[in-house]
Amino acid sequence: AQRVTQPEKLLSVFKGAPVELKCNYSYSGSPELFWYVQYSRQRLQLLLRHISRESIKGFTADLNKGETSFHLKKPFAQEEDSAMYYCALRTPGGYNKLIFGAGTRLAVHP
Amino acid sequence: GAVVSQHPSRVICKSGTSVKIECRSLDFQATTMFWYRQFPKQSLMLMATSNEGSKATYEQGVEKDKFLINHASLTLSTLTVTSAHPEDSSFYICSAAGTFSYEQYFGPGTRLTVT
Repeated sequence: AQRVTQPEKLLSVFKGAPVELKCNYSYSGSPELFWYVQYSRQRLQLLLRHISRESIKGFTADLNKGETSFHLKKPFAQEEDSAMYYCALRTPGGYNKLIFGAGTRLAVHP
Repeated sequence: GAVVSQHPSRVICKSGTSVKIECRSLDFQATTMFWYRQFPKQSLMLMATSNEGSKATYEQGVEKDKFLINHASLTLSTLTVTSAHPEDSSFYICSAAGTFSYEQYFGPGTRLTVT
């Protein structure tokens, strides 16, 4: 079964500390993985996707097929990074359907 | 960037009545729209996928006769919750994707409260 697991409901760090939000997936084929972010009182928006291998707002994520993981990392957290982060899996074919993880709330304290 | 709107943002209705939620893509043609439900402090659960001019595809466990989805144009999809009950109270979010794009653009959501 296709599944996305985000084991941490809450991740609390101080400003300037490194951040790693964990995401593991279950899928037998070649998935596409995404990270979405939802800031307070705002809609869900795409942060980054594994295909583009880019860094957005200092965040990066590497797809590790051996460990079936797609962890989101940032070396130095900022207060404005505080938000809800969702890892999502898109399976090829179909209608671009996304399967979301439960989400991790990142709280960055001054 | 692509913008998706939802109307209304909040709605309160009485048990047994029906309520319609609209999802519009404002500046692009959305061949596919998705409807999600989000419970408090939980993730988004996909309810159904709709393609313009076709019947919606519902996820397992979602009652298609209760959650009626219409995608009559490339910029509008509607979700009608029929004979609403208090357990239908939730946050409903839509998203839209264009023809050749993997990316889904999300609406701001609609908070439904059934009393």
